[in-house]
Amino acid sequence: QVQLVESGGGVVQPGRSLRLSCAASGFTFSSYAMHWVRQAPGKGLEWVAIISYDIRNKYYADSVKGRFTISRDNSKNTLYLQMDSLRAEDTAVYYCARDNYGGYGACDIWGQGTMVTVSS
Amino acid sequence: EIVLTQSPGTLSLSPGERATLSCRASQSVSSTSLAWYQQKPGQAPRLLIYGASNRATGIPDRFSGSGSGTDFTLTISRLEPEDFAVYYCQQYGSSPRTFGQGTKVEIK
Repeated sequence: QVQLVESGGGVVQPGRSLRLSCAASGFTFSSYAMHWVRQAPGKGLEWVAIISYDIRNKYYADSVKGRFTISRDNSKNTLYLQMDSLRAEDTAVYYCARDNYGGYGACDIWGQGTMVTVSS
Repeated sequence: EIVLTQSPGTLSLSPGERATLSCRASQSVSSTSLAWYQQKPGQAPRLLIYGASNRATGIPDRFSGSGSGTDFTLTISRLEPEDFAVYYCQQYGSSPRTFGQGTKVEIK
């Protein structure tokens, strides 16, 4: 079945780095744009980044621009989020999600999320 | 950045009642690029409505979306026990994509 599974979360000190992964299965990963969305504890949803199906286009929220990098390996059906210079306010559950219309759509499939805690 | 304001913050209703949730945008949302998501505690969001009024795959027809421009509505015609959750609207017509703060539908 169509599935996204995130991994790589954990506890990290401020200023350090972490890389999240999202393994896709059950659909043609290379045909879909993909997103990262996060949710701080007890808070709402915040869109983080998007990457086009062909890796040509990437866009970021202002809150992470210059610190986070979205990437993908279509040969491995995997999406990544490299998070550098982490701050306490980056603490959140990070979800990967599939775009349902070529990068111009809504997020129709979501992973279960992976928790990132930035704390000393 | 388009700011989405959802109202009310909390909606207290009984099963079988009708729920009407509002999402107002600070600027016009292009091409009705407005989605609604449902989120239950400890779970990922689930897409309910996209393009302002199109139900996602597998979504029951008691869920409906309407609106355009700056005013959008999610209606749940008759609440089932499994519908009590938090609902978010999202605009994806302009960057950055933004979410509303959420409306919690709780059992009265």
